[in-house]
Amino acid sequence: EAGVAQSPRYKIIEKRQSVAFWCNPISGHATLYWYQQILGQGPKLLIQFQNNGVVDDSQLPKDRFSAERLKGVDSTLKIQPAKLEDSAVYLCASSLEGTGVNYGYTFGSGTRLTVV
Amino acid sequence: GQQVMQIPQYQHVQEGEDFTTYCNSSTTLSNIQWYKQRPGGHPVFLIQLVKSGEVKKQKRLTFQFGEAKKNSSLHITATQTTDVGTYFCAGRTGGSYIPTFGRGTSLIVHP
Repeated sequence: EAGVAQSPRYKIIEKRQSVAFWCNPISGHATLYWYQQILGQGPKLLIQFQNNGVVDDSQLPKDRFSAERLKGVDSTLKIQPAKLEDSAVYLCASSLEGTGVNYGYTFGSGTRLTVV
Repeated sequence: GQQVMQIPQYQHVQEGEDFTTYCNSSTTLSNIQWYKQRPGGHPVFLIQLVKSGEVKKQKRLTFQFGEAKKNSSLHITATQTTDVGTYFCAGRTGGSYIPTFGRGTSLIVHP
């Protein structure tokens, strides 16, 4: 099966600019996640979607980050305006997860963002 | 909030030696997952443990979930250079869909 697709792979922007990342999950995976992984740390969840609805966005810095999954398939994550501390790898993951059932996540290759 | 601690942060071994990483939670977990991330790569799901005291094996890898469901370990027997990477545990409490990842243990294998 095809994996989780993410683009772009790399992005360098200046602080205060905006940037968007795209993710296409594995076909049939209802649950989609965006994670932020800062160098040397474990992934930190930013937002979780179940189909096109938000399940949890408690750790998303909503003053600058936004995400959407309009048709319950692919998703975009946007940062506007970017700060230096947003430099990280942004990972998208998907799973078959449903209520009361936990599955492992399949991660995409990530987008490495550098804010200068 | 829930915290998941992993130790050690780094581990250097000679090829052929064994390796163990430990994961400890401040709260009881409903399940725990383990992931491997190769340098420059993305996390890859290895396994999920659900039952108290559960032990699962994948070739040279042995995963354990503690009796109290607050700790877990990953043991690799006779490491190979292909085992190089960072191993993460991700623990989930009963009332949350959100697993908390540990900081990971980076394994460096010297040939």
